[in-house]
Amino acid sequence: DIVMTQSPLSLPVAPGEPASISCRSSQSLLHSDGHSYLDWFVQKPGQSPQLLIYLGSNRASGVPDRFSGSGSGTDFTLEISRVEAEDVGVYYCMQGLQTVTFGGGTKVEIK
Amino acid sequence: QVQLVIQESGGGVVQPGRSLRLSCAAPGFTFSSYGLHWVRQAPGKGLEWVSFISYDGIDKYYVASAKGRFTISRDDSKNTLYLQMNSLRPEDTAVYYCARGICSSDNSCYKIDYWGQGTLVSVSS
Repeated sequence: DIVMTQSPLSLPVAPGEPASISCRSSQSLLHSDGHSYLDWFVQKPGQSPQLLIYLGSNRASGVPDRFSGSGSGTDFTLEISRVEAEDVGVYYCMQGLQTVTFGGGTKVEIK
Repeated sequence: QVQLVIQESGGGVVQPGRSLRLSCAAPGFTFSSYGLHWVRQAPGKGLEWVSFISYDGIDKYYVASAKGRFTISRDDSKNTLYLQMNSLRPEDTAVYYCARGICSSDNSCYKIDYWGQGTLVSVSS
């Protein structure tokens, strides 16, 4: 099974400041179609998870452009260019190459 | 952005060793075109993928802890996904989410784009 490891566990950020979350997989997530099968989700308090980024770097519909995803192979990053109060929640990476596994989550909170 | 409605049901309190069947209704899209997942979240914990069924119902996959106890199925005529859970254990206690997958022909899923609100399963004596 592919293991997903996220860091940090907790990320306090002041409003307007950038934030970065790292995700590492135990195996390459490169599919034969040339894409990395890596998604990012956010789960806001009391809500279901929401898709932010798919295929490593593609923003989902309606996601603000302050969110961006990058990386390839086994190392991926989610960046928020300027954190807003509404971005509070737990962020998860997920691989879909071999069934599905999630990272342990990163809790983003406002300083 | 159009919000598709996915609604889970069937959760509740059940004793260890008993069974429960979860349902997931999704009337707002061409159900038979998509792979579907069950994902759970234990209280205060992270997300754990449980099971997947391919768009045609042929391929089914389970997390190791669910193999032999859980069965995923779908009824495209009713736009409904099911999860039959037998021999339930206290560690199965969680909110269970149904989610739609966008998958390639080999069932690798590059996108899970819509999630239901979840249904709570509590296994306790």
